[in-house]
Amino acid sequence: DADVTQTPRNRITKTGKRIMLECSQTKGHDRMYWYRQDPGLGLRLIYYSFDVKDINKGEISDGYSVSRQAQAKFSLSLESAIPNQTALYFCATSETQGHGYTFGSGTRLTVV
Amino acid sequence: AQSVTQLGSHVSVSEGALVLLRCNYSSSVPPYLFWYVQYPNQGLQLLLKYTSAATLVKGINGFEAEFKKSETSFHLTKPSAHMSDAAEYFCAVSEFNFGNEKLTFGTGTRLTIIP
Repeated sequence: DADVTQTPRNRITKTGKRIMLECSQTKGHDRMYWYRQDPGLGLRLIYYSFDVKDINKGEISDGYSVSRQAQAKFSLSLESAIPNQTALYFCATSETQGHGYTFGSGTRLTVV
Repeated sequence: AQSVTQLGSHVSVSEGALVLLRCNYSSSVPPYLFWYVQYPNQGLQLLLKYTSAATLVKGINGFEAEFKKSETSFHLTKPSAHMSDAAEYFCAVSEFNFGNEKLTFGTGTRLTIIP
């Protein structure tokens, strides 16, 4: 099993729908992150959590919300999806500073 | 605030030739620096990292990078390109944050290998 698992792998949804992307990890890491990847823009931070009781907005949090249900689970929600939220979404975890991230395989989301 | 600039969104090299992918960073404090590789339809995989120890860092798959403070650079190199190196490469920076990692990524460089 993968250390960081994202579900679903692919999703097509309609404008205005609520959608949740899920992330679970078996690394035992406290720190978890959500990024989106767009061609030519690299990875941009949406939300991050340094422990279960800590939630922080990243640089592009508008239109998104998160829930940290447990140390191992960090979900990203789009309350009302719009086409410009079409992107590849990555969850990542971190042990401590200097170790970098462990990434999931990504969720490809298309909003039509 | 920290930031990363990757020069060249696309780089093409011949198989067996030198690979050089450029990364410059901006940071108000000594940074941690990372290179990640992304193969098609996969997540990102750590290639190597600089965490204030040796300035020349060796990573997986024959890649290495040199931290040059005077040039604020952390360029990625490989002496001889292989077809399997074709991928997208991301440079990332992290500033000290009381033990918490928060990476800022560059926009990526897509590496194409010419047979």
